[in-house]
Amino acid sequence: EAQVTQNPRYLITVTGKKLTVTCSQNMNHEYMSWYRQDPGLGLRQIYYSMNVEVTDKGDVPEGYKVSRKEKRNFPLILESPSPNQTSLYFCASSSRTSGRNEQFFGPGTRLTVL
Amino acid sequence: DAKTTQPTSMDCAEGRAANLPCNHSTISGNEYVYWYRQIHSQGPQYIIHGLKNNETNEMASLIITEDRKSSTLILPHATLRDTAVYYCIVRVGGGTSYGKLTFGQGTILTVHP
Repeated sequence: EAQVTQNPRYLITVTGKKLTVTCSQNMNHEYMSWYRQDPGLGLRQIYYSMNVEVTDKGDVPEGYKVSRKEKRNFPLILESPSPNQTSLYFCASSSRTSGRNEQFFGPGTRLTVL
Repeated sequence: DAKTTQPTSMDCAEGRAANLPCNHSTISGNEYVYWYRQIHSQGPQYIIHGLKNNETNEMASLIITEDRKSSTLILPHATLRDTAVYYCIVRVGGGTSYGKLTFGQGTILTVHP
């Protein structure tokens, strides 16, 4: 089944404790991105990647890092989480070449930073 | 990308058609209209997109006015599982799906039994 998976789905952590949220897709998509969703602010893009080893900042990149060493994986790294990073996070992927016009989203990771 | 305006919420009876409007009066000639929905904090799901012609797929129909300044998403026979937030997004590029999606506040559609 074509899908985007994220782990963990739920995470409660404390300020300053480094964490990684993994994202993996099995559709051989070139493009992957991370969004965060907050009440009243909608979904905002954090980082995106056009292909392996190619990443760039989205609208709200501060406090986050990403890497794209393999085509299928795009982990989101919070080196020193703070309470304002408490949010619902979504990973998404899409193809540049298939002609399909949809982005596929993962199920979400709900992060709480105390 | 052009800004869109959608009603905050709408109700629909189960089995009836749900018609969700979207205004995009500043849309440019190369911008497409996309619709996504989000069911209760799940990941957003693509529904349909179009440039200027009406479009239909297994999920919905999209009606775009001739001047392209507004559109309507139609769910022909709404079910309880269609209760969700529906996002109308206008962006460049209908031939490729990659690139940032700019989500607004969307329309909360509630389907009643």
